[in-house]
Amino acid sequence: AQSVSQHNHHVILSEAASLELGCNYSYGGTVNLFWYVQYPGQHLQLLLKYFSGDPLVKGIKGFEAEFIKSKFSFNLRKPSVQWSDTAEYFCAALSGGGADGLTFGKGTHLIIQP
Amino acid sequence: DAGVIQSPRHEVTEMGQEVTLRCKPISGHDYLFWYRQTMMRGLELLIYFNNNVPIDDSGMPEDRFSAKMPNASFSTLKIQPSEPRDSAVYFCASSPPPFRGTEAFFGQGTRLTVV
Repeated sequence: AQSVSQHNHHVILSEAASLELGCNYSYGGTVNLFWYVQYPGQHLQLLLKYFSGDPLVKGIKGFEAEFIKSKFSFNLRKPSVQWSDTAEYFCAALSGGGADGLTFGKGTHLIIQP
Repeated sequence: DAGVIQSPRHEVTEMGQEVTLRCKPISGHDYLFWYRQTMMRGLELLIYFNNNVPIDDSGMPEDRFSAKMPNASFSTLKIQPSEPRDSAVYFCASSPPPFRGTEAFFGQGTRLTVV
């Protein structure tokens, strides 16, 4: 079975700092990867996704992620964070034919200090 | 489209009571998922349906949990009897065909508190 691990449970940054959230997955075959964001009190929204092609994926709100197959990683990055980026971030993977649904990491709680 | 609609948004119930959570997927989506979110375990897939048929319910924690999808526009997740450890946020999500290669759209969630 596939699994997704996120390295940091809590990250605190100041505004304008650069962000990198780690994500590793365990599945060895073809895998689709996602980052979702959950703002306080809201539902999950898709930030970006990777299916194939260019391993550097651009998402909304200035986020990007890089798929590194050799490292089984899909880290999320943003060069300069804003206070409004305070949220919970979830990495998710979809393997094979999607038969297992999305497998999520436990999430990273990001707090941006003004 | 209004998106995935879940009700109620909040539910507080006493231990032992039956709880029913409801979900209306986005029209035209033929995959429907139920997830549970807790601090300890993060987001867990409980069960998912394809064309109203349950495909994988291996994530359902116990026999106290059951889910149905009587038609393409409605699904329920029932807990009977409820226990305090069932307290969590329950999300419903739907996805258009084919699921592989597309994203899942999430509802606002139901925050369940069992006292």
